[in-house]
Amino acid sequence: NAGVTQTPKFQVLKTGQSMTLQCAQDMNHNSMYWYRQDPGMGLRLIYYSASEGTTDKGEVPNGYNVSRLNKREFSLRLESAAPSQTSVYFCASSRSSGGLYNEQFFGPGTRLTVL
Amino acid sequence: QKEVEQDPGPLSVPEGAIVSLNCTYSNSAFQYFMWYRQYSRKGPELLMYTYSSGNKEDGRFTAQVDKSSKYISLFIRDSQPSDSATYLCAMSGGSSNTGKLIFGQGTTLQVKP
Repeated sequence: NAGVTQTPKFQVLKTGQSMTLQCAQDMNHNSMYWYRQDPGMGLRLIYYSASEGTTDKGEVPNGYNVSRLNKREFSLRLESAAPSQTSVYFCASSRSSGGLYNEQFFGPGTRLTVL
Repeated sequence: QKEVEQDPGPLSVPEGAIVSLNCTYSNSAFQYFMWYRQYSRKGPELLMYTYSSGNKEDGRFTAQVDKSSKYISLFIRDSQPSDSATYLCAMSGGSSNTGKLIFGQGTTLQVKP
């Protein structure tokens, strides 16, 4: 099992460019999450999908869109990248949302720089 | 005020020391408390998971939750250089528990040989 995979691992964009970060999990988990991690800020939730077909905003959704393509895949899109979106992005998944089964498993991260 | 506060450190200790990592929180509805460990340039991985108040021990690691004080701790005994990492506390729960985790800022620990 690969667990949670993310592509690409690194990306450099110019201001105004768009891109999509891909995430896939092979653990048959229902819930998936996108976080960003900045120095001194911990992990902040951008969007999450409690189950296939649903998505909800997290703490810092502005400038991002998501798509839960199927149970395995959850993508994050930056429509017009800004330097403030320079960060490390992590995708995570969990068996379910809520209760005792919300242990989240994380991918290796995507390091994004916006010039 | 952040919902979860964690001293970012960095914290540097000699090998074999006892390490104490702490988080405070403001939301009394939190019921699930976790500690994640994150090695440099890697994703976080779950280290300890506690439900409600009390202690939980796993080898050299002990997690404590004091809900009355809204305070959680992670103790590492006989610390090793391999324990050098960033430790993040995380919490969830409440009447509208959606499984969303609220993370602390993370504490960077260095254990020197």
